[in-house]
Amino acid sequence: GEDVEQSLFLSVREGDSSVINCTYTDSSSTYLYWYKQEPGAGLQLLTYIFSNMDMKQDQRLTVLLNKKDKHLSLRIADTQTGDSAIYFCAERGNTDKLIFGTGTRLQVFP
Amino acid sequence: DTEVTQTPKHLVMGMTNKKSLKCEQHMGHRAMYWYKQKAKKPPELMFVYSYEKLSINESVPSRFSPECPNSSLLNLHLHALQPEDSALYLCASSQDLVTTGELFFGEGSRLTVL
Repeated sequence: GEDVEQSLFLSVREGDSSVINCTYTDSSSTYLYWYKQEPGAGLQLLTYIFSNMDMKQDQRLTVLLNKKDKHLSLRIADTQTGDSAIYFCAERGNTDKLIFGTGTRLQVFP
Repeated sequence: DTEVTQTPKHLVMGMTNKKSLKCEQHMGHRAMYWYKQKAKKPPELMFVYSYEKLSINESVPSRFSPECPNSSLLNLHLHALQPEDSALYLCASSQDLVTTGELFFGEGSRLTVL
């Protein structure tokens, strides 16, 4: 099956780190992605990781992949109010289709 | 230019109307996509075009009719829609199907069917 699950909501204080988690079921996934969607807007690709990697860092973003547990996480360091949005993980298996997770709403408060 | 432009931003239509959503990109991308997104849900794939040919149709009802007139344009023709078709319709593009995860999205067309 192709189910990608995320927790619904995360609230953090400005300046703290945020960790958004994602679990997937398709063990053949080749790439895993993180997208951000701000209110009233389309999705924006933040970063992605190839399935043979454990970690990828890109400025304030760190992606961790545990392939054994089919668990993906996105850590945002020094979270800012502009990071408030919905974050979707997504997996791509052996097809030409991207399967999006259920989405996590991140709220950053001062 | 790294933009995907969608028009109109908002559309209200009755169940007997015929309307079209338009999408344009000038990044030289050869794969283009239509997604449907309901409130508080992830985007759901509807159609994929690759090199101007329909590659994937996710069993979408025939009241939605896609068209790819050229490599920069993607349309979605709407006819006899139902109120449950109200949603945000997102267009996206990628360099090709190999990079299908690296999508560039437009801001969407918010459709309300009365």
